[in-house]
Amino acid sequence: KQEVTQIPAALSVPEGENLVLNCSFTDSAIYNLQWFRQDPGKGLTSLLLIQSSQREQTSGRLNASLDKSSGRSTLYIAASQPGDSATYLCAVNPFGYSTLTFGKGTMLLVSP
Amino acid sequence: ETGVTQSPTHLIKTRGQQVTLRCSSQSGHNTVSWYQQALGQGPQFIFQYYREEENGRGNFPPRFSGLQFPNYSSELNVNALELDDSALYLCASSIPQGGGTGELFFGEGSRLTVL
Repeated sequence: KQEVTQIPAALSVPEGENLVLNCSFTDSAIYNLQWFRQDPGKGLTSLLLIQSSQREQTSGRLNASLDKSSGRSTLYIAASQPGDSATYLCAVNPFGYSTLTFGKGTMLLVSP
Repeated sequence: ETGVTQSPTHLIKTRGQQVTLRCSSQSGHNTVSWYQQALGQGPQFIFQYYREEENGRGNFPPRFSGLQFPNYSSELNVNALELDDSALYLCASSIPQGGGTGELFFGEGSRLTVL
């Protein structure tokens, strides 16, 4: 059974810092991995999708990496801003399925 | 191009009642998935519909049921509501790919409170 773990559970940083969020998964047989952002009480916004054959994806100040063999992904946020404050969720798509298995998320607070 | 829309946004029910939640998929997406997110947890997969047929189900009892319509919109029905059913219900649409799924796009969710 695929399990996804996100560390840390919560993170507080001052504005301007670069930061890394971690995601690990137990079964390397994945089709892709997706990072989402969730504001309190809201739905999920897709940030980045990495196919299993890729090593990283970039969008603006966000960079996500994938090491499938070790079961790890990281989300790097450069020059953090207060508007980045949200919960960040990692989800893996097991190979052969069309569902996602989620971690519990990392709650990020960026203070001015 | 319209995104995924869900209704209602909030609702309150009492134990034993029944509820129907609705979802319109993103234009061109033929697959709809439903997830339940309890407070402080990641979303849990309920079930998925592809071309009006159930195409996978998570560890949820039969009182959770669904439908998909020819226009790919979908409903989630929950019978005999329990207190633990209180959660944010998320709908996502996507296009399946050979070995898995394409990118999932989520709606804003329906917040269900069971008293």
